[in-house]
Amino acid sequence: EAQVTQNPRYLITVTGKKLTVTCSQNMNHEYMSWYRQDPGLGLRQIYYSMNVEVTDKGDVPEGYKVSRKEKRNFPLILESPSPNQTSLYFCASSLREGGADYGYTFGSGTRLTVV
Amino acid sequence: AQTVTQSQPEMSVQEAETVTLSCTYDTSESDYYLFWYKQPPSRQMILVIRQEAYKQQNATENRFSVNFQKAAKSFSLKISDSQLGDAAMYFCAYRKTSGSRLTFGEGTQLTVNP
Repeated sequence: EAQVTQNPRYLITVTGKKLTVTCSQNMNHEYMSWYRQDPGLGLRQIYYSMNVEVTDKGDVPEGYKVSRKEKRNFPLILESPSPNQTSLYFCASSLREGGADYGYTFGSGTRLTVV
Repeated sequence: AQTVTQSQPEMSVQEAETVTLSCTYDTSESDYYLFWYKQPPSRQMILVIRQEAYKQQNATENRFSVNFQKAAKSFSLKISDSQLGDAAMYFCAYRKTSGSRLTFGEGTQLTVNP
């Protein structure tokens, strides 16, 4: 089954304790991206990657890191989490072929709480 | 910068009726894509429908159709014969052809009443 897999689905952590949210896709997509969802703000892009070893900042990159060492994986790293990073996080991947955009496929989300 | 606005935080519809969700966007680009995503209580983001800006014909997917007005920068979603399973948060989104950033609106919470 074609999918984007995120882990964990729920995470409660303490301020300052480094964490990683994993993301993997099995569709051979070039584009991958991380979003955070907050009430009244919709989804905002944190980082994106256009291919292996190619990443760039989105709208709200502060406090986050990413890496793309393999095409299928795109982990999100919070080096020193703070309470304002409490949010619902989504990983997504996308195929573009011949200039056509087929839309992003999203993971199931990770509910992160930082206390 | 591109912005997407959904002016209806909440909408409700009776089962089997039709409802239209509004979306406007601001861009200086001529080539772009527009999307509607559905997020049910399971929180999964599901692509409902997509529209290429260069196509004048409005996209349709079964009971879902859009009214794309490029000059007015408007992209509304019409749901016909509403079903209980249509109850969800709906997000309008924009992506320019040459970019990878998907810009979302704030969302519209749709309630379907039996």
